[in-house]
Formats: sequence, structure tokens, C-alpha cells
Amino acid sequence: DTGVSQDPRHKITKRGQNVTFRCDPISEHNRLYWYRQTLGQGPEFLTYFQNEAQLEKSRLLSDRFSAERPKGSFSTLEIQRTEQGDSAMYLCASSLMASGSGTDTQYFGPGTRLTVL
Amino acid sequence: DQQVKQNSPSLSVQEGRISILNCDYTNSMFDYFLWYKKYPAEGPTFLISISSIKDKNEDGRFTVFLNKSAKHLSLHIVPSQPGDSAVYFCAASALNDMRFGAGTRLTVKP
Repeated sequence: DTGVSQDPRHKITKRGQNVTFRCDPISEHNRLYWYRQTLGQGPEFLTYFQNEAQLEKSRLLSDRFSAERPKGSFSTLEIQRTEQGDSAMYLCASSLMASGSGTDTQYFGPGTRLTVL
Repeated sequence: DQQVKQNSPSLSVQEGRISILNCDYTNSMFDYFLWYKKYPAEGPTFLISISSIKDKNEDGRFTVFLNKSAKHLSLHIVPSQPGDSAVYFCAASALNDMRFGAGTRLTVKP
């Protein structure tokens, strides 16, 4: 399977604990995105990487959130001191943004569902 | 600020008939539009897209129409099949910014 994969698929944690999620993009894709989705809403952008560089962060991404893509391949999203409001589906997507291209089709992974008790 | 809106949270259609899902946007800078389909417990799956230089793109049973002056796009599925039952999200993109609508749940009844 050469699609986007995410691990774990489900995570239950207690408030105040730290959690880390992993995303493996489609191998030749240079862009990697993180989104958060809550019930009844579409995905909300959190941050994205072009290769290993983190180019943009949403204001939704508080200082408790950090994302890395150290070698330009897989990425991790860490949430420190989790709060109940962090409960959501965390989606990763990747795309191949060709130089000079204005279009960017993102392909999503299955998501990690986080429940903070 | 909800820049992409799907005003119908749900739609029910008989098998074999046409499904029309609608989407409105407010940001005139959006130049690329996509539709994603989502089944429960899965991530969104890319379905079809359209660039702002076109007004129609067709792929099999799926056609996306774009009306730039009205800032409106729609997805037509014909004929609808029970396997099309899912939540459909429209998305609009400008440079590095992609925004999603809240989704429309399509139910195709046999």
C-alpha cells in the first residue's frame, strides 16, 4: 500500500499527558500537511511542510503543539499537556507540488482519533 | 471565518438518480477546487478537482461545475449508487491555503 499512513489510529489519554502521532506520506511527495477535524466540521489546517521546512502554522496550533519532519519524509505531531478540547481526529495529507504548478492535490491518511479524558 | 460553505448538511437520493452537492466560497483568490469523499473511520479520499480556468470537469459518473462569478461549485453524480453514500467535502485552495466546507452527508437509497 503506497498511500498515506498514520499511527496510531486511536489514542486515549488522560488530561495533562503528552501524545505523539506519526505520519508517513506518499514516498515521492514533497509536501506534508496536518489537519484537525471535529464532529460535523471539515478538516481545519494546522501546519504544513515543504520537504523538511515547516512553512506555515495556523493560529489553531497553540504552543502546546509541535510538528517536525526531520528528514523530509515522515512527520510527527506532538501535543503537550493535552486538554479535553484537543479531542479530535488528526489528519495528515501529502502532495507533490511541482515547481511552477499552481495546483496541489492532497491525499489524506486514515487519521488518528484522539480522546482526552 | 468560514470561507467555504456547504449549506446542506444532508442529501438523500434514490439509486439511479442524480445527486447534486453544492458548495459556495467567499474568497476570490481561490483558484483550485476539490471534492473529497469520506467514509466513517477513514480519511477523506480525493474524488475530483477543477482549476479556476475551467468551468467543468468530468470523470466518469462525477462532474464538477464551477461558476466563478457566483463563487459556487457543484458536484454531480449520475447515476447515483448506494456505494456513493458518504460525507462529501468541498475544498478550495489558494497558494498554500486550503479550506474545507463542513461536509454534506449523501445517502443513496436502493
